[in-house]
Formats: sequence, C-alpha cells, structure tokens
Amino acid sequence: SYELTQPPSVSVSPGQTARITCSADVLSRQYVHWYQQRPGQAPVLVIYKDSERPSGIPERFSGSSSGTKATLTISGVQAEDEADYFCQSPDSSGRYHVVFGGGTKLTVL
Amino acid sequence: QVQLQESGPGLVKPSGSLSLTCTVSGGSISGSNNYWGWIRQPPGKGLEWIGSIFHSGVTHYKASLTSRVSLSLDTSTNQFFLDLTSVTAADTAVYYCARHPPDYGDGWYFTLWGRGTLVTVS
Repeated sequence: SYELTQPPSVSVSPGQTARITCSADVLSRQYVHWYQQRPGQAPVLVIYKDSERPSGIPERFSGSSSGTKATLTISGVQAEDEADYFCQSPDSSGRYHVVFGGGTKLTVL
Repeated sequence: QVQLQESGPGLVKPSGSLSLTCTVSGGSISGSNNYWGWIRQPPGKGLEWIGSIFHSGVTHYKASLTSRVSLSLDTSTNQFFLDLTSVTAADTAVYYCARHPPDYGDGWYFTLWGRGTLVTVS
C-alpha cells in the first residue's frame, strides 16, 4: 500500500529554521499538502500543491518537493508553531484515495 | 464564511453502527464546486481519510472501509452524513468533516475542517 513517511519528531530553538520531511517511492509524481494541528484542535492547511500557501498562513511557512521527498520549512520558528504536522498526498495507484503521513511533532525548545 | 459542524452520538456499542452528520453553514453544498469528506483520528494517532462525496452523489471510499462505510448528503438541509457499520474499539476516534476541491490531479487538499467530534466504541 502507498505510504508517506515522516520523522516522528523535530526540535528547534525559537528563531531557527525547522524542516519536516515526507517521503514516498512515487512522490515525484504527486502533489503534497501539509497540515498543522495544535493540541485539541482540528488540522489547518498550511501548504498545498507542494509549495502554495493559503491566505492567512504566515510567510515563514514554505514547501518544496524533489524526487521522492517533500519538505515543509518553517523559517524563524515561533513558540506558536509547536504542533503536529501531517503531510498528505493522493494514492499513487490510480484509485481516488487520500493518504496521510504519520505526523511529525515539532517541539520549540 | 463557510463553517462545518459535526454532530452525532459520542458513544456507540461494539457491532453497532456509527452515524454522524456534518452541517454546512455560510454556503451551499450544492452550489459549491467541492467534495465533502470525512477524516478520523484515533486518540494520540494520525489522520485517516474515510471517504468523500460530491454534491452530485458521487462517492469515493478508503478501500479497507468500503464494506462498512456509506456517505450521503441532503442538499435541502445542507448536510452530509457518515454511516459506519459493524464498529469495533478500533473505530474509536475523533471524526472530522472537511471540504476539498474536486480536481484529483491537484491531490484533494482539505481547505476547511470542522472542529471534530469524539466517538467512542464501548
């Protein structure tokens, strides 16, 4: 089955840059989207179609994709960015399916 | 602006059925070029897509849930619904309803989510 792999955790100090990766064998042919989920809240879309940022999302959030890996980059991390981050991509099998990565806990030290 | 709100029983017995409603306010299901979907999240775990429905009634389900899940909608009440049968403790989760654009080539990203509702199977 199609799987998206994320590191379980990433830690950075305030003001530093956090990079969260999402890997899959056929990622190069699929768009990747990213969600932020703060504790007790619903997910919020922060990046779509690899690198597009929805209105209202701070410019410090950016995305990229190359080969089999997509990356969510948060520049100048703030305490409020501490959350779980999930990547998402369509299934590569041709079925109409949605797949989420396992999630990455971003800790701001 | 458009808002989504899930509702339904918070407790379901094993082998029973789970039925949830998502009420869309601030916009029309039928007038919107979007799919309406359900995603769940077991406590402390990741997100799992369940399925999506278009206002025309076209549905797509996660393969492993196809035999137990059914989505429907009612444009007159601006609601869409999730029915999941033969539930077990593994179906205990926060259930979210959400909206996504229809073009699968763009990857179906969820632009708007409800706040979620916890359903416990016990």
